[in-house]
Amino acid sequence: QVQLVQSGPEVKKPGASVKVSCKASGYTLSTYTFTSFGISWVRQAPGQGLEWMGWITTFNGNTNYAQRLQGRVTMTTDTSTNTAYMELRSLRSDDTAVYYCARRMLSGGYYHDSWGQGTLVTVSS
Amino acid sequence: QSVLTQPPSVSAAPGQKVTISCSGSGSNIGNNYVSWYQQLPGTAPKLLIYDNNKRPSGIPDRFSGSKSGTSATLDITGLQTGDEADYYCGTWDASVTAFYVFGTGTKVTVL
Repeated sequence: QVQLVQSGPEVKKPGASVKVSCKASGYTLSTYTFTSFGISWVRQAPGQGLEWMGWITTFNGNTNYAQRLQGRVTMTTDTSTNTAYMELRSLRSDDTAVYYCARRMLSGGYYHDSWGQGTLVTVSS
Repeated sequence: QSVLTQPPSVSAAPGQKVTISCSGSGSNIGNNYVSWYQQLPGTAPKLLIYDNNKRPSGIPDRFSGSKSGTSATLDITGLQTGDEADYYCGTWDASVTAFYVFGTGTKVTVL
């Protein structure tokens, strides 16, 4: 079955960068299918709702980032290890959140059928 | 602030039914399919409904979704204590800055 396993918690100082990994098993990121696999990154600040950060279409590397994070976020994949990455730069205290990767599927519309366990990123001086 | 609005909370007794609404606009729900996610406390979200009303395998038929115009609805019938969680709708928004968006979230409490 499909499984997404994320890297462990991180503590960073303001202004630093963080890179979170998401290793997929049970399917191959680089495979092109009609369902157009992708990996979304979604974050959740403490006590808050879900915020979509962007996604990468994994067979061709095309990205679509949330406008408010443009210029600070980069999403990539490493097909040799079947792993997706999300890097966030110039961290601020309000970037403190649990970060999730999720497999993006396409049927009639987009949806997310498998999720990683989450990675807590704490930004504190 | 999300462009998809949900009620902050709904509640009902075990065995009863709750309905969660998700209100959007023509650039999102009005012209795109909606999915629904359940987030139990301290866990990652889980897909409940996709393409407005389809259930992935393993999701009981107590959970059902529908869409009309620029709003979508998730119904939970036969409410159980294990259904106590946060629920989010999600869809694509095809406005100028196209993006995926989640609703504001609804806390379901089983009385």
